[in-house]
Amino acid sequence: AQTVTQSQPEMSVQEAETVTLSCTYDTSENNYYLFWYKQPPSRQMILVIRQEAYKQQNATENRFSVNFQKAAKSFSLKISDSQLGDTAMYFCAFMKINAGNMLTFGGGTRLMVKP
Amino acid sequence: EAGVAQSPRYKIIEKRQSVAFWCNPISGHATLYWYQQILGQGPKLLIQFQNNGVVDDSQLPKDRFSAERLKGVDSTLKIQPAKLEDSAVYLCASSLGQGAGQPQHFGDGTRLSIL
Repeated sequence: AQTVTQSQPEMSVQEAETVTLSCTYDTSENNYYLFWYKQPPSRQMILVIRQEAYKQQNATENRFSVNFQKAAKSFSLKISDSQLGDTAMYFCAFMKINAGNMLTFGGGTRLMVKP
Repeated sequence: EAGVAQSPRYKIIEKRQSVAFWCNPISGHATLYWYQQILGQGPKLLIQFQNNGVVDDSQLPKDRFSAERLKGVDSTLKIQPAKLEDSAVYLCASSLGQGAGQPQHFGDGTRLSIL
């Protein structure tokens, strides 16, 4: 079974600065997908970024980028130019291929962006 | 496009009572998921449907939880009888299908409180 670990329960960052959220996972699979989801107080989980394990290039979506280290089973999220609206819970998730695209989530990191 | 719709948004019941949640996925999405998110934790998959068939329900407590997706569109999740430990947010998600890496789109969830 896969496990996803987010070792930082809470983090804070000043507006306009950069913050990195950590995620590690454990799997015996060679091909899979990794995701970061954002959950604001409204509760809706919003997809932030997706990484395919067979692609070496790190995914980027505007101010969000990842550092994917497959050998180390590490998948960190970098948020640049942090904005107040980035305040939320962030969840790292693992998706095994050919298993119904089920997601295994980490425990989450609460990010507070301070003005 | 309209997102995943869930109702009710909040529900308060006493233990041993019954409760039902409703989900309407994004139009055209064949795959539907129900997650349980206990406060302070990441979501945990309860059941996955592909059209109106169950793909995985290995983590569904079948002695008290049931779910159906008649006609392959809307879905209901029922708890009967409820226990105190069922207090959680119940999230519904949908995706286009089972193609590898299909992202899941989430609803706002139903927050269930058991007294």
